[in-house]
Amino acid sequence: KQEVTQIPAALSVPEGENLVLNCSFTDSAIYNLQWFRQDPGKGLTSLLLIQSSQREQTSGRLNASLDKSSGRSTLYIAASQPGDSATYLCAVRPQAGTALIFGKGTTLSVSS
Amino acid sequence: GAVVSQHPSWVICKSGTSVKIECRSLDFQATTMFWYRQFPKQSLMLMATSNEGSKATYEQGVEKDKFLINHASLTLSTLTVTSAHPEDSSFYICSASQLGGITDGYTFGSGTRLTVV
Repeated sequence: KQEVTQIPAALSVPEGENLVLNCSFTDSAIYNLQWFRQDPGKGLTSLLLIQSSQREQTSGRLNASLDKSSGRSTLYIAASQPGDSATYLCAVRPQAGTALIFGKGTTLSVSS
Repeated sequence: GAVVSQHPSWVICKSGTSVKIECRSLDFQATTMFWYRQFPKQSLMLMATSNEGSKATYEQGVEKDKFLINHASLTLSTLTVTSAHPEDSSFYICSASQLGGITDGYTFGSGTRLTVV
């Protein structure tokens, strides 16, 4: 059974710092992996999607990497801002058309 | 881009009543929609997979007679919480994938906060 773990559970940093969020999954046979942002009481916003054949994806200050063989993904946020404060969720899709399996998320707080 | 609209965004109901939550794909057709539930500080847990024109597939431990799912068209899926109890209070969120879409990502609704009193 696929399990997704995110470390750390919470993270507080001052504005401007670069940071890394970690995600690991137990079964390396995945179709793709997706990173989301969730603001309190809100839905999910997709940040980056990495196909199983890809190693990384970038969008603005965000960079996500995927090492499928070791079951790991990282989300790198450069020059963090207070507006980045949110919960970041990692999710894997085992096969095409199947539901996503989520980690518990990392709650990020960026202070000004 | 693909947009999923979910209503209501929040609802308060009395114990024993039923609540219907709608999930609509606004600018694309979705053969499959997924329903998740999220308790405070917990991850999103899949409740059921909804396929257009057929019965939903429920995850283990999810009561199909309590959580009624209907996916009557390619743009609408509904989740009805029947005879709601306080322990059903949670954040419910749906997601959909685009039929024949070029992206493999799923789009999520904005979620529904259900409080049963």
